[in-house]
Amino acid sequence: GAVVSQHPSWVICKSGTSVKIECRSLDFQATTMFWYRQFPKQSLMLMATSNEGSKATYEQGVEKDKFLINHASLTLSTLTVTSAHPEDSSFYICSARDSHVGAFFGQGTRLTVV
Amino acid sequence: GQNIDQPTEMTATEGAIVQINCTYQTSGFNGLFWYQQHAGEAPTFLSYNVLDGLEEKGRFSSFLSRSKGYSYLLLKELQMKDSASYLCASMDSNYQLIWGAGTKLIIKP
Repeated sequence: GAVVSQHPSWVICKSGTSVKIECRSLDFQATTMFWYRQFPKQSLMLMATSNEGSKATYEQGVEKDKFLINHASLTLSTLTVTSAHPEDSSFYICSARDSHVGAFFGQGTRLTVV
Repeated sequence: GQNIDQPTEMTATEGAIVQINCTYQTSGFNGLFWYQQHAGEAPTFLSYNVLDGLEEKGRFSSFLSRSKGYSYLLLKELQMKDSASYLCASMDSNYQLIWGAGTKLIIKP
């Protein structure tokens, strides 16, 4: 199957700082990438849909100024959590859709804000 | 509205067979996916069904009935490592995945 690489796997940052998470499709071009958030023992929650070369579409309740998404190329999307606070601590997962079928997931990033 | 239903939790015995059901209602339909997610890890792809019938892949099989809005994931010869959450997701007409809440599968020796 297709490979999606997400980096970093885990990060600890101080409250008020910003953190950037990268999502790369390694062997296919992803016109669409999705960013999810998952709290412990809960289901995946879609945050935003990112299309290459255009602005991301955010789900209701997700602050676009806080969660900056950039999808500058067909193989790379980034999520920047700006001015992070402890309540932003979560598991962030990206997935990339190829032109045929399916959504393939990155390894996820565990963010802890202290 | 769009909705995916699957059981919250199931328990099965090592070596046995378990069937995890999923019913879906989405705006349009472009396929049904099953993912496995171990605690603390990202989901991994298990199967994709877009036509009616059973798709077998080793110990795992997935079934789809589009007329009934129904799918199941069948796991045979259960192993302890199969303890995980199993997520059902339907792809709607906009190619967006609509997720179920996941079924936590507990395997007992």
